[in-house]
Parts: sequence; C-alpha cells; structure tokens
Amino acid sequence: GDSVTQMEGPVTLSEEAFLTINCTYTATGYPSLFWYVQYPGEGLQLLLKATKADDKGSNKGFEATYRKETTSFHLEKGSVQVSDSAVYFCALSPPLNSGGYQKVTFGIGTKLQVIP
Amino acid sequence: NAGVTQTPKFRVLKTGQSMTLLCAQDMNHEYMYWYRQDPGMGLRLIHYSVGEGTTAKGEVPDGYNVSRLKKQNFLLGLESAAPSQTSVYFCASRTGDHVPYNEQFFGPGTRLTVL
Repeated sequence: GDSVTQMEGPVTLSEEAFLTINCTYTATGYPSLFWYVQYPGEGLQLLLKATKADDKGSNKGFEATYRKETTSFHLEKGSVQVSDSAVYFCALSPPLNSGGYQKVTFGIGTKLQVIP
Repeated sequence: NAGVTQTPKFRVLKTGQSMTLLCAQDMNHEYMYWYRQDPGMGLRLIHYSVGEGTTAKGEVPDGYNVSRLKKQNFLLGLESAAPSQTSVYFCASRTGDHVPYNEQFFGPGTRLTVL
C-alpha cells in the first residue's frame, strides 16, 4: 500500500537558517503530494501541494518539488523564523481518477523548533 | 465561515464511559473524516463519509461508531471508552471530486484522556 516516510525530529534550527525536511513516498501511479503544517494547539492546514511530476509547490517561503524519479517531495525554506516552529506532515493522495474515497496517507510528522 | 469546528476541545473519561464528539463544517463539503493522532504514528483514519447518510470504516475503526445524518455534521461515538483511545481526535472535510486534488480542511482537535 501507499506509504510516506519522513523523520520525526525534532529539528532544531537557529533563526534565518536553511531548512530541509525530507519526504519520500511509495505509491502506484502519480499521486498528489502535500505538505501540511500543524501549529501548537491547532489542527493541520495545507501548506503547499503538487499534483504532477516536476511541479513545484510554494507558499509562505516554503517550496517542495515533486520528484517522480526519486519518489521524493522534500520541503525547503531559505530562512526560517521563530514563527515557523510547528509540526510538518508530508502526505499523498491517489489520483482522483483512480476511484475509491481518496484516502490521504500521512507521514508521522516532523517537529521543527526555531530558536532566536 | 467558521470552517471546521469540533466540540468539545478537551474531555476526560473513565474506562467504560461513553461520549460523542461533534464535528461541523459550513463549507458544504461532501467528504468528512475522523482521524486520531498519536505520538510517532502520525494521523490514522478512523471512519469517513462520502456524503450525507453514508459512513465507512477507515484504518482503525474498532471501538468507534459514526453517523452523518446531516451533510454538515459528522459525529464520532465511543460506546465504552478504553485507555487505548486516549488520543487527539481531528475531524476533516473536503469538497467533491470536481476539485482535482484532495485538500482536506481540519478542525482544531479534541484531546481525549481515558483513565
């Protein structure tokens, strides 16, 4: 079945450091890929997405590129801020034309701590 | 729009007690989901619904029941709570298949402790 692998962390960075959170996946066909962010005490919210190979999703300075050849969707940000401290979830969903209820498979989440 | 709301936010139960968690969405979404979030395990799907009056089992349905009598509401019930059900519960919804990707909108969560 589908699966998503990411490190649990925590990842601790100083403010303005470069961030990379790795995400690799196993799935058939061409799933949609997502990064969700969960701030303390809140639910998950979509950060960015990519729906086909070589697409780049971006939002709030974060970027991730859909790499079919390496089955990866790594999250990057050039300069993190304290306000980016949160848990980041990589996720995938089958193509809409594959039928079924469109299950979303989540990774375990990576906790990011940014210190001033 | 309030988006997805959940009640209650916190609850403590004793083993064997029952309770119902309420999820409501005001976005006219077709699909609704209940997840539980546990440390080191990410989110696991409990039950889901593809429309009013429908429900189906997810990955970890045992010990839970659901109902979707109205399109905007999705209820999660625990008939006889067990300590293994201590978790944070999230409700989510998404629109229909006319949107070409599966973006889910999450509620703020309910933290449940079973003693």
